[in-house]
Amino acid sequence: EAGVTQFPSHSVIEKGQTVTLRCDPISGHDNLYWYRRVMGKEIKFLLHFVKESKQDESGMPNNRFLAERTGGTYSTLKVQPAELEDSGVYFCASSQDLRGSPLHFGNGTRLTVT
Amino acid sequence: QQQVKQSPQSLIVQKGGISIINCAYENTAFDYFPWYQQFPGKGPALLIAIRPDVSEKKEGRFTISFNKSAKQFSLHIMDSQPGDSATYFCAATKNNQGGKLIFGQGTELSVKP
Repeated sequence: EAGVTQFPSHSVIEKGQTVTLRCDPISGHDNLYWYRRVMGKEIKFLLHFVKESKQDESGMPNNRFLAERTGGTYSTLKVQPAELEDSGVYFCASSQDLRGSPLHFGNGTRLTVT
Repeated sequence: QQQVKQSPQSLIVQKGGISIINCAYENTAFDYFPWYQQFPGKGPALLIAIRPDVSEKKEGRFTISFNKSAKQFSLHIMDSQPGDSATYFCAATKNNQGGKLIFGQGTELSVKP
C-alpha cells in the first residue's frame, strides 16, 4: 500500500509569492487532513476534508490559505500571498474513517518564505 | 492557549535506560490519546495509543501510563536504543472528531550508545 505522498518536499519562495502544496492520500481514504508545524512548536490542525467536502476548516490561519480537494482524491493547499510567518512544515494525513482508524502522515513539505 | 502540554522538550538517555516523556491535557472531553514518533525527514507515525478506560497500555518496550484524575499521561520507553532517537509527540482528541488531533510541542529524544 502506497503511503501519503506530498509534493514538493521543500519550497523556498519570497514574501508575496504564491505556493501550492499537493497531497495524495492513501487510496480509499475519504478523510484528508492538513497540519502545520511552525519551528519548534506543536503540530497544529488546519483543516479536514471528507471526500471533496470541507468538514472542518477551523484551523486555517487566514484567507491567504485555500485548500481544495477536487473529486475527493488529491488535495492542494495554496498560500497566496505568502508571508514570513507562513514558514514551517506542512503535513498531510489521511484515514479510512473517523472512529478508530489511525492517521497516516506524509513526509511533509518544508516551506521557507524569505 | 495550549491544550496539551508536553515535557521535556529534549531528552538524552543512555542505551539501555528508560526514557520518560510526560503530557498534560486540559479538556476532559478528550477520550483518545495517541503518541506519534517522527524521524528526521519523515512524517509522524502512530506509535501507541490509549483510551481513558484503562490506566496503562504496553506494546513491546513502549508503555503509556494514564492518570485520568490528574489529566496526565506519559510514554515510557524501556531499554532505550539508539534507533529510538526521534521526536515524540503526544496528542489528544475527542473520538467523534477522529483525526483532528491536538498535539503537544514534541520531545527530541537522543539515545547515546
